[in-house]
Amino acid sequence: QQPVQSPQAVILREGEDAVINCSSSKALYSVHWYRQKHGEAPVFLMILLKGGEQKGHEKISASFNEKKQQSSLYLTASQLSYSGTYFCGTQRNDYKLSFGAGTTVTVRA
Amino acid sequence: DGGITQSPKYLFRKEGQNVTLSCEQNLNHDAMYWYRQDPGQGLRLIYYSQIVNDFQKGDIAEGYSVSREKKESFPLTVTSAQKNPTAFYLCASRTEGAGLEKQYFGPGTRLTVT
Repeated sequence: QQPVQSPQAVILREGEDAVINCSSSKALYSVHWYRQKHGEAPVFLMILLKGGEQKGHEKISASFNEKKQQSSLYLTASQLSYSGTYFCGTQRNDYKLSFGAGTTVTVRA
Repeated sequence: DGGITQSPKYLFRKEGQNVTLSCEQNLNHDAMYWYRQDPGQGLRLIYYSQIVNDFQKGDIAEGYSVSREKKESFPLTVTSAQKNPTAFYLCASRTEGAGLEKQYFGPGTRLTVT
């Protein structure tokens, strides 16, 4: 079952912050975050395991609330290079990832 | 350099023809995956393989077939039974290690069927 991402799209100015949410109705083993530029393959950002730990990649960080089966991705002091579509992938106790529909982030100068 | 290659980048076919998309990896990964991406719908799993000579259907396997005869290769055939084959197809492979699994994606093949 696909996780639900919100918002669908966000427009930022350089330096602004944003939060992207990813929710699942099923118990999760891990949450993966990817960023995809137009016409390119998704690029792995980080993986979060159940336990609520927070990870970081550049000024992008994420958290995983195991009780709520929800993960949030935080874009801090956004840069132009942060533009793209962000996908969360949720993993249960198997080898499959289910991906959300994506959140399109546009960062403007 | 290690990585995943998919060829060709763009593929055009006539309706009713089968077409095979290639995926090769030199990362020594056991698990490989095929996804389909349509605008606004994210990534949907077609087939996956955890080991050579074994594969399982994903969420949208109808109209597709795969083989896994070698660890490095996981080709996908889009058959004429697939009702709406035009899409962006992504192949991925996965690292091992409890809690450290990451999927790496190939550059994708954009298939257009007319």
